[in-house]
Amino acid sequence: GNSVTQMEGPVTLSEEAFLTINCTYTATGYPSLFWYVQYPGEGLQLLLKATKADDKGSNKGFEATYRKETTSFHLEKGSVQVSDSAVYFCALGTNFGNEKLTFGTGTRLTIIP
Amino acid sequence: NAGVTQTPKFQVLKTGQSMTLQCAQDMNHNSMYWYRQDPGMGLRLIYYSASEGTTDKGEVPNGYNVSRLNKREFSLRLESAAPSQTSVYFCASSASQGWDGYTFGSGTRLTVV
Repeated sequence: GNSVTQMEGPVTLSEEAFLTINCTYTATGYPSLFWYVQYPGEGLQLLLKATKADDKGSNKGFEATYRKETTSFHLEKGSVQVSDSAVYFCALGTNFGNEKLTFGTGTRLTIIP
Repeated sequence: NAGVTQTPKFQVLKTGQSMTLQCAQDMNHNSMYWYRQDPGMGLRLIYYSASEGTTDKGEVPNGYNVSRLNKREFSLRLESAAPSQTSVYFCASSASQGWDGYTFGSGTRLTVV
């Protein structure tokens, strides 16, 4: 079956530090990959996505590249801000018959000024 | 610009009580989902509905029932609440064609005492 393994948290960084949150997956077929972000007290929001190997998703300064050879989709940002403090979820979806997303357990990120 | 609307936002129940969580989307999406979010567990799928008139069990369906009332609405019912059902519940929807991921509601925080 499909599964997503995410970097354990929590992660605490200083403002302007470089961020990497690791995500690896196992899946049948050719999944699409997603990063979602959850700010305190809110639902999840789509941050970025990639639908095929070597695609790079990007949004709000965050990037992730779909690496089929290493089955990874690591999230990166060059200079984090306090406002990036949130929980980040990696997810995958395959469209073999139905379209349920499989989520990782989430990584809590805290940025300190 | 409502997206996915969940009600209520907060609820406290006594063990054995019943309640229904409501979810409605205005994006003409075919598929709808109910997830629960627990600390350290990430998001787990309870039930989903691939299209109007169909529902299927997810990863953790025991103790829950669902109704896809029409294309817009997908409700989750707890017939006899238990403390183990204390959680944050999220409804989500997605289009059935293409992979744009899910749109989530803002969640219902349920406490069963």
